[in-house]
Amino acid sequence: DAGVTQSPTHLIKTRGQQVTLRCSPKSGHDTVSWYQQALGQGPQFIFQYYEEEERQRGNFPDRFSGHQFPNYSSELNVNALLLGDSALYLCASSFRGAGKNEQFFGPGTRLTVL
Amino acid sequence: AQKVTQAQTEISVVEKEDVTLDCVYETRDTTYYLFWYKQPPSGELVFLIRRNSFDEQNEISGRYSWNFQKSTSSFNFTITASQVVDSAVYFCALSVGGGSYIPTFGRGTSLIVHP
Repeated sequence: DAGVTQSPTHLIKTRGQQVTLRCSPKSGHDTVSWYQQALGQGPQFIFQYYEEEERQRGNFPDRFSGHQFPNYSSELNVNALLLGDSALYLCASSFRGAGKNEQFFGPGTRLTVL
Repeated sequence: AQKVTQAQTEISVVEKEDVTLDCVYETRDTTYYLFWYKQPPSGELVFLIRRNSFDEQNEISGRYSWNFQKSTSSFNFTITASQVVDSAVYFCALSVGGGSYIPTFGRGTSLIVHP
């Protein structure tokens, strides 16, 4: 049973560029959440997708957008990259209907903005 | 608003020592969940335990144990007889009721276990 997968593993971009990160949820999960983890910090919630719609959003600007596909996989897009966007981006999946709420995390994508 | 405080930034111990990681939380909700996650150098957050606000029973799982005390809003985590493989960053998290249960994470405690 595959867990949460993310691609790419590492990414280097320059300021002003755009980036797309990808996530495949754990089998049986229908909800995907994205987090940004800066160095030395805990993960910060960006947004959550369920049924192909953004359901909740954290305190992140509109430069951060996402998408969820019918197969439950998801993308995170960041436009007009800033140096401060350098971080580990974590994807987490869960099953909304289970009544439980632990999220399973992927290995993350480390984004470096130069 | 929810808040999780992990006052210990880094803890260094020698193998076989016991170590306790502290977590203090704040919430006005009466229904909430508390979590501990482990993040090894590989980056992936590994789920360790979940506790709901109505279950103050402490739990032991192998070398791990958790002490949940609502009176002090604490959810501490103890590793007995630590091993080098326990070296990681440990995060405490809190989520409150609602359909999405988005967790709020503490800043993490880096545990270094020396051989």
